[in-house]
Formats: sequence, C-alpha cells, structure tokens
Amino acid sequence: GAVVSQHPSWVICKSGTSVKIECRSLDFQATTMFWYRQFPKQSLMLMATSNEGSKATYEQGVEKDKFLINHASLTLSTLTVTSAHPEDSSFYICSARDPSGRSRSYNEQFFGPGTRLTVL
Amino acid sequence: TQLLEQSPQFLSIQEGENLTVYCNSSSVFSSLQWYRQEPGEGPVLLVTVVTGGEVKKLKRLTFQFGDARKDSSLHITAAQPGDTGLYLCAGGSSNTGKLIFGQGTTLQVKP
Repeated sequence: GAVVSQHPSWVICKSGTSVKIECRSLDFQATTMFWYRQFPKQSLMLMATSNEGSKATYEQGVEKDKFLINHASLTLSTLTVTSAHPEDSSFYICSARDPSGRSRSYNEQFFGPGTRLTVL
Repeated sequence: TQLLEQSPQFLSIQEGENLTVYCNSSSVFSSLQWYRQEPGEGPVLLVTVVTGGEVKKLKRLTFQFGDARKDSSLHITAAQPGDTGLYLCAGGSSNTGKLIFGQGTTLQVKP
C-alpha cells in the first residue's frame, strides 16, 4: 500500500519551454501532496503543499507563477515549471499523505520516485 | 523556525563496522521519521517514532527517539555494502502536516 508514482522519470527540455510533472497516489486518496526539490548529495527542500480543491501553499522564496501546482483530483497533483531555465535543472520529488489512520497521525509521507529535469 | 541538525553529513566505513547517525533539534516534534534514499530514487520510509524514549529495531538498524522528542539516532550494526545510501531524518509538525528534513547523511560502506 501507499504507492506514489511520478511521470516522467526524467525530462530534457530547452530553455524557455514549460514542463509538466505528474504525481499520482496509486492505492489511496491523497488530499494533501507535497512537492520537493533536491540538489545532488543534499537533502529535500519543500517547495509547496498541494491541497485538493484549493490553491497550493508555497514556501518562502518559491515563485508561485513559475512553479504552477494543480491538485485536480484526490489522486493527482501536477507541477508545471514554466519558462524553464538551466538553473531550474534539479531532481523534483513529490510525496503524499495517506489521510487514513496512522499515516495521518504520524505525519508519514510516501514519496514518488522523482523526476530528473534538465534544462538546456 | 524548526530545524533539524543531522550529523555526520558524510560517512565512509568498511563492511562490518558499526555507525551512528544523529538528528538534533531545539524543537519538539510530534513524530520523527527516518528515510533511506538511493541515487535517482525517492526516499523510502524506514521507521516512524512518536513516543519519547522509544526504541525501534529493523534488523541491524536501531532507531531511538529522545525522551524530550527533540532528537533521534540511527545505529547500524555490522554495516554492509547494501546499506550504502542517503539517510534522512524528518520531523513532523502536527499542525501543518509538513516534514522538516535534516541535511542528510551520505553513507558509503566499502566491501
């Protein structure tokens, strides 16, 4: 149980284009998903909290107009990197909270496999 | 602002050695998770501790939550090359549901 998928697993794009990354909870419904960014050999940096049916909450310093988040259903959240630049190249990881039982109580998050974005 | 200080950040040891990773904070957390991440993959949850003083064991891994729920440790006995990876501690906020991550510990176990 508690499986989260991401698509695509890697993407290469040209500078100035937009890229959409999908995050799906496969065997549970997730009212809340999180988007993280990770640089090589570093920890995860929370970018935003995605809430189903409402606007995402962005962390300080994260541009909401550049990183568009949509949580249209209980199993899908998308992150769109708009007008991508080389400095946006990174490993993007999503996670989801299972709202039932212990996972919710214990703040457990289940992570997707990540998406490697390379902007040329 | 809640912060988690994780140490050491890098550790390279020989197979069979023991090691301990520490996660410390000045803040109290309602829960603390330990994750393991391999290159190019997402973190995988190893354990969650919620009670002060709690000790949990997962084969050769022993996790402890401090009495005051401000710190935690991960001890690996007789490390094996398969233990190589990035270990992350993360404290949970019951108010926001967010996780506060430590800096991570990159462990390399040489055969």
